[in-house]
Amino acid sequence: GEEVAQTPKHLVRGEGQKAKLYCAPIKGHSYVFWYQQVLKNEFKFLISFQNENVFDETGMPKERFSAKCLPNSPCSLEIQATKLEDSAVYFCASSQSGQAYEQYFGPGTRLTVT
Amino acid sequence: LAKTTQPISMDSYEGQEVNITCSHNNIATNDYITWYQQFPSQGPRFIIQGYKTKVTNEVASLFIPADRKSSTLSLPRVSLSDTAVYYCLVGLAGFQKLVFGTGTRLLVSP
Repeated sequence: GEEVAQTPKHLVRGEGQKAKLYCAPIKGHSYVFWYQQVLKNEFKFLISFQNENVFDETGMPKERFSAKCLPNSPCSLEIQATKLEDSAVYFCASSQSGQAYEQYFGPGTRLTVT
Repeated sequence: LAKTTQPISMDSYEGQEVNITCSHNNIATNDYITWYQQFPSQGPRFIIQGYKTKVTNEVASLFIPADRKSSTLSLPRVSLSDTAVYYCLVGLAGFQKLVFGTGTRLLVSP
C-alpha cells in the first residue's frame, strides 16, 4: 500500500497483560522503525529493521519488549507484562532507504495500560 | 546527535508568515537539518531538509546561516490547518533513527 498501516488504533490492557501491535510498511520499503511517544511530545526510538533483520535495537527495553518483521507478514511489537509507564502512542515508520527525510509514519497505536 | 532547542509554543493568525527558529550549537560538519510536522492524532510528516543557506519547497523555506548553529523554518501565509507541532532534528542525512526534541506547538487562529 501507499500508506503505513498500524493496528489496532487503540489498545487497552491491564497491568501485567501482554500487548501486541502491528505495522504494515509501505510496499517496497526495506526499513521499518518503531517509536514511542509519551506525554509532552516526547519521542523515543525503540528499534529498526532492514527487511527482517534487526538494524538498531538500542532503544528497546529488552526485558519486556520484543519486535519482529517476518517476510510476507506485518511487523509486530510485543510488550510482555505491560506496566503503567508503557501507556503511550506507538508509531511505526517505513522507509525505502532509511534516510532522515524519508521516513513515512503510520497513524499510531494508542496503548493504555490500566 | 546534536541537541536542538526550540520555543515550546508559538501563536499566529491566518495569513501571517511564521518563523520558527531552532538552535543547534554543537552541529557537526556532516550534519543536516531536518524538520518534521505532526498534526494531532497523526504521525510526524517530513517537511524540509537542508545543509546550508536556503532551501525552499512547496510547503516551507529553511534558512541556515553560515555558522549553521541555528536554522529557521519559515511558513508563508499560514492557515488554520498549519496548527501542529514542528520538530527540528539534526544529524547525518543518512542517520537511521530520528531523535525528536519537544518541538514547537504552533497555534494558528482565525
